[in-house]
Amino acid sequence: TQLLEQSPQFLSIQEGENLTVYCNSSSVFSSLQWYRQEPGEGPVLLVTVVTGGEVKKLKRLTFQFGDARKDSSLHITAAQPGDTGLYLCAGFSGSARQLTFGSGTQLTVLP
Amino acid sequence: DTAVSQTPKYLVTQMGNDKSIKCEQNLGHDTMYWYKQDSKKFLKIMFSYNNKELIINETVPNRFSPKSPDKAHLNLHINSLELGDSAVYFCASSLLATVAYEQYFGPGTRLTVT
Repeated sequence: TQLLEQSPQFLSIQEGENLTVYCNSSSVFSSLQWYRQEPGEGPVLLVTVVTGGEVKKLKRLTFQFGDARKDSSLHITAAQPGDTGLYLCAGFSGSARQLTFGSGTQLTVLP
Repeated sequence: DTAVSQTPKYLVTQMGNDKSIKCEQNLGHDTMYWYKQDSKKFLKIMFSYNNKELIINETVPNRFSPKSPDKAHLNLHINSLELGDSAVYFCASSLLATVAYEQYFGPGTRLTVT
C-alpha cells in the first residue's frame, strides 16, 4: 500500500508570513498533484509535477517534486486569508492507475 | 456551467435504509470515480469507471454498488446503511489519456446516518 504523509497536519499563521507544507512517501510516484479544498466544496487541482527535481510556481505558491520522486513540498510566500483551506497532495502510480491522497494539511491564515 | 455535479448535497437517513447519490460530468472525460472523505478529511478512492467499465474496485462493502449508465454519469447506491457510512462522498472525473489522471471533483454529498 502506498502512503503519503503530510506535515504539518495543522498550521495557523498570520497574514504575510511564509510557510512550507511537506508530502513524503517511501514509494516512487510517476507524478504528484496538489489540491486545495475549501469547506463544503470538493478539492480543486492546483498543480501537477512530473519530473524529479521539477519546480513550478503559481503566483505566490511554489511546488517542488523531489529528485527521487518520493516527496514534494508546497511553499507559500506572504500568505493571505484567501489561502486558507485543506491542502492535499496526491501521488499517481501508473501501475495502480489511481491517485493516492495524502493525509492533508489544514491551513488557516489569520488577518 | 457546472463541470461535475452531484445530488443531493446533503443526505440524512436512518440506519438500514437504502439511498442513492447521483453524479454527472460535462467535461467530456472518460473516467469517473467515487471517493469517501472521513471525519479526519482523509480521501480514499472507492470505485472507478472508464467508459462505463469498472476498473477500480477497492475494498468496499458490497452494500455499495456503483452504476454507470454512460460515461457522463456515475451513480452510487448504498443498501442497509450503517452509522459508519456517515462521511462526505465525492464524485470526480478525469481523462485517462492525460499524464496523471488529474481529477475534477464534484461538490460532495454529506451523508449522515442516524
